[in-house]
Amino acid sequence: DTAVSQTPKYLVTQMGNDKSIKCEQNLGHDTMYWYKQDSKKFLKIMFSYNNKELIINETVPNRFSPKSPDKAHLNLHINSLELGDSAVYFCASSHRPGHDNQPQHFGDGTRLSIL
Amino acid sequence: QQQVKQSPQSLIVQKGGISIINCAYENTAFDYFPWYQQFPGKGPALLIAIRPDVSEKKEGRFTISFNKSAKQFSLHIMDSQPGDSATYFCAASYNKYIFGTGTRLKVLA
Repeated sequence: DTAVSQTPKYLVTQMGNDKSIKCEQNLGHDTMYWYKQDSKKFLKIMFSYNNKELIINETVPNRFSPKSPDKAHLNLHINSLELGDSAVYFCASSHRPGHDNQPQHFGDGTRLSIL
Repeated sequence: QQQVKQSPQSLIVQKGGISIINCAYENTAFDYFPWYQQFPGKGPALLIAIRPDVSEKKEGRFTISFNKSAKQFSLHIMDSQPGDSATYFCAASYNKYIFGTGTRLKVLA
């Protein structure tokens, strides 16, 4: 049983295109996240949603738009892709931090390559 | 105050040796300190975690040492094995997670 699943695993596309990454979790968590991991392995938080409500929005270009149709899903849409968007994007979920702290569970990532 | 500083950036250890990774934080509001292990092509996965009311937690070959007064915590991997070669992240959490910058560990056979 996959706890946090994201699709696609690989995404290769041209600069200027629009693409989406989907994420679903079956752990019953109420909080979901998007992270960007660059080539140096730095994990940078992008967004966090709790019960479909945006609670963290780090300094991310507005070309990135998260959407949470329900608390088990958090999708990421990226408009007008740029070369610098090439990275691995991870979805994660947890119970809400600060409320009986629990670990985050990560998907296996989506490797985005911009040509 | 939101940063978690992790060192070293990379580490090479002989098989059977001890691997030590250190993290330091500033914000005393943090109340949960997990360590994550990431293999190539996979997402980070929880390895071991500690809360600030204890000074040490051990699970198998992995031990977290926690020094509340110094605001530091470290991961010790005893009898390091080639299969431990991965990237390790410390993190600290109160109402949000803050990850360290990662340590690439390579254990030589």
